[in-house]
Amino acid sequence: SQTIHQWPATLVQPVGSPLSLECTVEGTSNPNLYWYRQAAGRGLQLLFYSVGIGQISSEVPQNLSASRPQDRQFILSSKKLLLSDSGFYLCAWSPGGQGTYEQYFGPGTRLTVT
Amino acid sequence: DAKTTQPPSMDCAEGRAANLPCNHSTISGNEYVYWYRQIHSQGPQYIIHGLKNNETNEMASLIITEDRKSSTLILPHATLRDTAVYYCIASGNTPLVFGKGTRLSVIA
Repeated sequence: SQTIHQWPATLVQPVGSPLSLECTVEGTSNPNLYWYRQAAGRGLQLLFYSVGIGQISSEVPQNLSASRPQDRQFILSSKKLLLSDSGFYLCAWSPGGQGTYEQYFGPGTRLTVT
Repeated sequence: DAKTTQPPSMDCAEGRAANLPCNHSTISGNEYVYWYRQIHSQGPQYIIHGLKNNETNEMASLIITEDRKSSTLILPHATLRDTAVYYCIASGNTPLVFGKGTRLSVIA
């Protein structure tokens, strides 16, 4: 069966510090991968998605970037965090290729920028 | 993706069936209806999806009207653990776009 991991679970970082959140998927190959963010009391906002290694689509211009160095690894980064980057960051995967598939979410990382 | 409309909140008595409605009147022929839920402080959990026919799994049933303009998610015997925000999404491809959903409160 497939499993999605995210770490860390919680993170407190000062404004201006860098960020690296990692997501890995097990038990599948060539997945589509996604990063969402949920600000406190708000809905889920799609940040990035990837259909393959090195292929990243950005949905919202902002202070964040994403990379996919390996097939089942997706990394969310920032060079300098802003207070507005605080939120609940969720990684998700779906089977790759043609067709319509459900997405499966990881446990999330709760980021607080102070 | 077709726009979906859901009531912002609903209450349900524990042990009773929870029927969550969703309107997707502009859905196109290749768009599926997905249901997810998000329990507080957790990632969204996939519940069920369908295209035309009604669907049932161990979690819920999905009833889609014949014209596909609306659907209902049914939790047959709601428990306190079913308290969550429920999202209805009409989409023909990923990534899925989440709206505000319905906050379901199951009351003892």
